[in-house]
Amino acid sequence: ILNVEQSPQSLHVQEGDSTNFTCSFPSSNFYALHWYRWETAKSPEALFVMTLNGDEKKKGRISATLNTKEGYSYLYIKGSQPEDSATYLCAFFQAGTALIFGKGTTLSVSS
Amino acid sequence: NAGVTQTPKFQVLKTGQSMTLQCAQDMNHEYMSWYRQDPGMGLRLIHYSVGAGITDQGEVPNGYNVSRSTTEDFPLRLLSAAPSQTSVYFCASSYPSGGRAYGELFFGEGSRLTVL
Repeated sequence: ILNVEQSPQSLHVQEGDSTNFTCSFPSSNFYALHWYRWETAKSPEALFVMTLNGDEKKKGRISATLNTKEGYSYLYIKGSQPEDSATYLCAFFQAGTALIFGKGTTLSVSS
Repeated sequence: NAGVTQTPKFQVLKTGQSMTLQCAQDMNHEYMSWYRQDPGMGLRLIHYSVGAGITDQGEVPNGYNVSRSTTEDFPLRLLSAAPSQTSVYFCASSYPSGGRAYGELFFGEGSRLTVL
């Protein structure tokens, strides 16, 4: 069973703060690393799919980086807004397996 | 375009009963999967399929059965429901993105199951 770790488990910030989360995954047989945003009472929605070492992806105020050699990815949110409040999941796809999720980081942004 | 459709959205079962959660997608995705969501546990993979006629176990397969007779459908069967199977179940599908990798998952709306 693959081990995908996310930290911190939860985070509370003020509106306007910038923040980042970590996803750690096995560095062998890497295929892809996914980030999802999951709002309460909704289904997860994809933010990024990252496949190459050194990948950097950006969508608005959210960006992500990938280091496959050391097995980690960072998700950054610049200038957090209350609507960014959600659980952020990373998921790892290794050769010969299926997509395995971490437990997520729950972000709460106060106005 | 309906995407991924799960039924039922809510179900209450008694211990020992069996039932099937239905999942259908209209995007011609090869990859389909079932996850369960429990508090503090994120999403845990139950079973997955990379194409019609092919299924495999995920992290928590015990007590569940799947089949994939068509590209569109991937039902999840609970053989003899137990209270430990009380959870929210999500079906998700994806498309090949090169080699053996897949693109982002598209999720259904979830099915909330309570086993008494």
